[in-house]
Amino acid sequence: DIQMTQSPSSLSASVGDRVTITCRASQGIRNDLGWYQQKPGKAPKRLIHAASILQSGVPSRFSGSGSGTEFTLTINSLQPEDFATYYCLQHNTYPLTFGQGTKLEIK
Amino acid sequence: EVQLLESGGGLVQPGGSLRLSCVASGFYFRDSAMTWVRQTPGKGLDWVSLISSDGASTFYADSVKGRFTISRDDSKDTLYLHMNSLRAEDTAVYYCTRDIEVSYWGQGAPVTVSP
Repeated sequence: DIQMTQSPSSLSASVGDRVTITCRASQGIRNDLGWYQQKPGKAPKRLIHAASILQSGVPSRFSGSGSGTEFTLTINSLQPEDFATYYCLQHNTYPLTFGQGTKLEIK
Repeated sequence: EVQLLESGGGLVQPGGSLRLSCVASGFYFRDSAMTWVRQTPGKGLDWVSLISSDGASTFYADSVKGRFTISRDDSKDTLYLHMNSLRAEDTAVYYCTRDIEVSYWGQGAPVTVSP
């Protein structure tokens, strides 16, 4: 199975900050990666697909980059509604695997 | 607007069975592979199973292989997950999602396996 190592597991930041979350795959997955945001009691919502393509309707302060084994999600100018848990998912190889999640909290 | 509506969750005893359903709308269901993902209480996300758009291919996580069966009825725009021999560790919220890229999610169906 492909392991997705996501870091950090938690992160404290302030409104207006820029934050970066990283996912590392245990083997190359091309750009077959998505990023998701989940708020308490809600289903996850996809933000980014194909590693760097913004989902329609998602604010442009979110961006993704990477290919192969290293991927990043960057959020510029954090807004109050961005405090949530973020996950990456590889869909290159079965079984599909998620990162462990990053909980983004208000400092 | 893409909508996925799960039903069929609930409380079941260990060793029991349950069938989850997911009614899809807002897209051409028969053109889409469909996926189940689950989330254990307070923890992360785990992929469970996928069925191809034509229903000919199915894939399962090792943890559910031989116990769970994914199926679809394109005439009803509905996805199913048949769960047998349920264990306590299957307790989770089960999400129906669209395609291999897991682009859209339903609201989730809670399943609790307990005596």
